Amino acid sequence: KQEVTQIPAALSVPEGENLVLNCSFTDSAIYNLQWFRQDPGKGLTSLLLIQSSQREQTSGRLNASLDKSSGRSTLYIAASQPGDSATYLCAVETGANNLFFGTGTRLTVIP
Amino acid sequence: DAGVIQSPRHEVTEMGQEVTLRCKPISGHNSLFWYRQTMMRGLELLIYFNNNVPIDDSGMPEDRFSAKMPNASFSTLKIQPSEPRDSAVYFCASSLSLDEQFFGPGTRLTVL
Repeated sequence: KQEVTQIPAALSVPEGENLVLNCSFTDSAIYNLQWFRQDPGKGLTSLLLIQSSQREQTSGRLNASLDKSSGRSTLYIAASQPGDSATYLCAVETGANNLFFGTGTRLTVIP
Repeated sequence: DAGVIQSPRHEVTEMGQEVTLRCKPISGHNSLFWYRQTMMRGLELLIYFNNNVPIDDSGMPEDRFSAKMPNASFSTLKIQPSEPRDSAVYFCASSLSLDEQFFGPGTRLTVL
């Protein structure tokens, strides 16, 4: 069974700092990998989707990379802002639309 | 588009009662997913439908859980009878074929 791990579980950084969130998965046979953002008491917002054939995706200050062979993905956030504070989840999609989620990294950006 | 709509947003019930959660997917999407999120286990897929047909229900924890999708715009997740350990946030998501999934705001269920 696919297992997804996210490190660190929690991270606090001062505003303006660049940061990297890590995600690793045990089975490299994936269709895609998604990064989500979850705000307290709310649903999930999709940030970036990387297909298995891609190496990275960018959206604004966010950049996600995928190294399928090593089972790793990173989410890079440039020039962090207090509004970036949230829990970030990565999820890998295996066959049959099955998404396996990591436990998340809780990010706090300190003004 | 209003996105994925879930109701109710919060549900508090007593052990043994029947609970029905509702989901309206994004119009035009042909896949619908039910997830459960708990502190202990994180997010887990319970069941998903493709073109209104249940494809994989291996994540449904027990026979007390059942899900239906009578048409392309509506799905229900029912728990009967409910137990305190069912307390969690239940998310519905929809997608178009194998494209990215869009999540609803969730239903926070508390079973006393």
